[in-house]
Amino acid sequence: DAMVIQNPRYQVTQFGKPVTLSCSQTLNHNVMYWYQQKSSQAPKLLFHYYDKDFNNEADTPDNFQSRRPNTSFCFLDIRSPGLGDTAMYLCATSSGEGRGNEKLFFGSGTQLSVL
Amino acid sequence: GQNIDQPTEMTATEGAIVQINCTYQTSGFNGLFWYQQHAGEAPTFLSYNVLDGLEEKGRFSSFLSRSKGYSYLLLKELQMKDSASYLCAVKNSNYQLIWGAGTKLIIKP
Repeated sequence: DAMVIQNPRYQVTQFGKPVTLSCSQTLNHNVMYWYQQKSSQAPKLLFHYYDKDFNNEADTPDNFQSRRPNTSFCFLDIRSPGLGDTAMYLCATSSGEGRGNEKLFFGSGTQLSVL
Repeated sequence: GQNIDQPTEMTATEGAIVQINCTYQTSGFNGLFWYQQHAGEAPTFLSYNVLDGLEEKGRFSSFLSRSKGYSYLLLKELQMKDSASYLCAVKNSNYQLIWGAGTKLIIKP
């Protein structure tokens, strides 16, 4: 089945120790997104790629970086995680056809804990 | 600013019907989505409304009134597996998706 896969499912890191989260998709979608979701809060868009074009949200901290080496893979790098970065990180894709009803397909998420 | 308002938590009984409301204020409107999110899991798509009225899909229905900036998700014949958070999201004129914080639905036997 076509899907969005995130690894790892759970990640524990130490304060200040860089961490990389990965996402892959077999849907051949043009757009890939990274969301941060804290407990009982709305998902917060960090950035998205339309193909290779990178779009950073204005309030995404510089501590967060992303790479999309090809259509299928996208990475989220947190250079110096702080305690406030403990959250679920969700990768999502969409076809990029630009229609209003274009829905998001999410991966299972990576629960990051910063200690 | 843009915002989506939903109740934080609701409780209902197995086999009953529950209505989860969502009101929104966004810069333009290009459709409203409902997603279901089980605890610790990713959201999954439930419904999309762009025109006024009711869209029915099995036990779940979603209603939209654009003039009132209002939607609801109706869940019938509730099952224990329906215990989850339900997220309302609106696509604005720039096709940005504005998310609500979700309504946690607790189903009791």
